[in-house]
Amino acid sequence: DAKTTQPNSMESNEEEPVHLPCNHSTISGTDYIHWYRQLPSQGPEYVIHGLTSNVNNRMASLAIAEDRKSSTLILHRATLRDAAVYYCIRYSGGNYQLIWGAGTKLIIKP
Amino acid sequence: EPEVTQTPSHQVTQMGQEVILRCVPISNHLYFYWYRQILGQKVEFLVSFYNNEISEKSEIFDDQFSVERPDGSNFTLKIRSTKLEDSAMYFCASRWRELNEKLFFGSGTQLSVL
Repeated sequence: DAKTTQPNSMESNEEEPVHLPCNHSTISGTDYIHWYRQLPSQGPEYVIHGLTSNVNNRMASLAIAEDRKSSTLILHRATLRDAAVYYCIRYSGGNYQLIWGAGTKLIIKP
Repeated sequence: EPEVTQTPSHQVTQMGQEVILRCVPISNHLYFYWYRQILGQKVEFLVSFYNNEISEKSEIFDDQFSVERPDGSNFTLKIRSTKLEDSAMYFCASRWRELNEKLFFGSGTQLSVL
């Protein structure tokens, strides 16, 4: 049970911002939210993670709702190279595994 | 950036044969993992490994599977008697510390069992 819900797919135009939503309504107070992506024919790649506060790094931003029941991964200016499946994962520190859902397939239109 | 290296990139084997998939995790990492992904399906956890022993394993990781870190740099996944349903992409991953460190994944080994 992935315990997160994401849309199956989303489309966006190149050079526009992309907001990828994730629902995790049953999240516990200590679960972190991790995002990974998987480009075609490649291994998963870490994108970002957070607990309560919004987070920024060179790849993306993560906006976490105040009640922590949902979060949004933001790609500020999508490129064709951002076309991938994006996974939102709840992670409990101390567990050794990540439980993966089906993810959102992001399609970037030129 | 440091990388997790997996070999071979493709492995074809006959049903019932043993296969060993090899991984070189990032050198200062302490936690090691194997995941697999059947074509078109989700990424599935197989096993985690720390301090030379299995930390956790999934239902998929039955007696036909084993892992080993034979020499301090390599991390291997062995399937003793392969089945058709073992055909999948197998990903090795490593992490430095446990708590909320990101996982670094290799590019995978595509295993095809005929």
